[in-house]
Amino acid sequence: GAVVSQHPSRVICKSGTSVKIECRSLDFQATTMFWYRQFPKQSLMLMATSNEGSKATYEQGVEKDKFLINHASLTLSTLTVTSAHPEDSSFYICSARRQTTEAFFGQGTRLTVV
Amino acid sequence: KNEVEQSPQNLTAQEGEFITINCSYSVGISALHWLQQHPGGGIVSLFMLSSGKKKHGRLIATINIQEKHSSLHITASHPRDSAVYICAVPNFGNEKLTFGTGTRLTIIP
Repeated sequence: GAVVSQHPSRVICKSGTSVKIECRSLDFQATTMFWYRQFPKQSLMLMATSNEGSKATYEQGVEKDKFLINHASLTLSTLTVTSAHPEDSSFYICSARRQTTEAFFGQGTRLTVV
Repeated sequence: KNEVEQSPQNLTAQEGEFITINCSYSVGISALHWLQQHPGGGIVSLFMLSSGKKKHGRLIATINIQEKHSSLHITASHPRDSAVYICAVPNFGNEKLTFGTGTRLTIIP
């Protein structure tokens, strides 16, 4: 089956620094990728929709200057958490869409900001 | 936006038991996803179905489009099946998914 690879799986960073998370579709071209955030014991919350070659579409309440998304190719989207703060600590997960409705998920990244 | 309800929220069962997890949604859809999230957090897509029934190993997913309801069944459950099971449906008119709150399944040896 299709594979989506997310890297890193865990990252600890200091407050004020930036962290980049990569999401790659390994065996298919993903014109659309989605970035989610998940708080403990809660459902996934969509942050933004990333379209190859164009600007990402952010959900209401998500700061686009804080969560920078780049979808430079059909197989790679990146999420950069800028000037990270402890409240940004969370589990971030991406998914890539193939064809009409199939969605494949990355392994997720657990970000801890200290 | 499509509203998604899952039940039960938590389920503990003995190894070998037959497991059923339910998902209801409010708006007609093209396809429904069943996902599995392990304690480490990674998500695995189990099924995407738009009608009838799909089977993969000990997992069976069914959907009733008219009733806007889907079920995930696990036969001969095993401790390694312990995970959070999530159903997800697309919002009408766009590709975004709405997720259920998940069912935390614990299988006791």
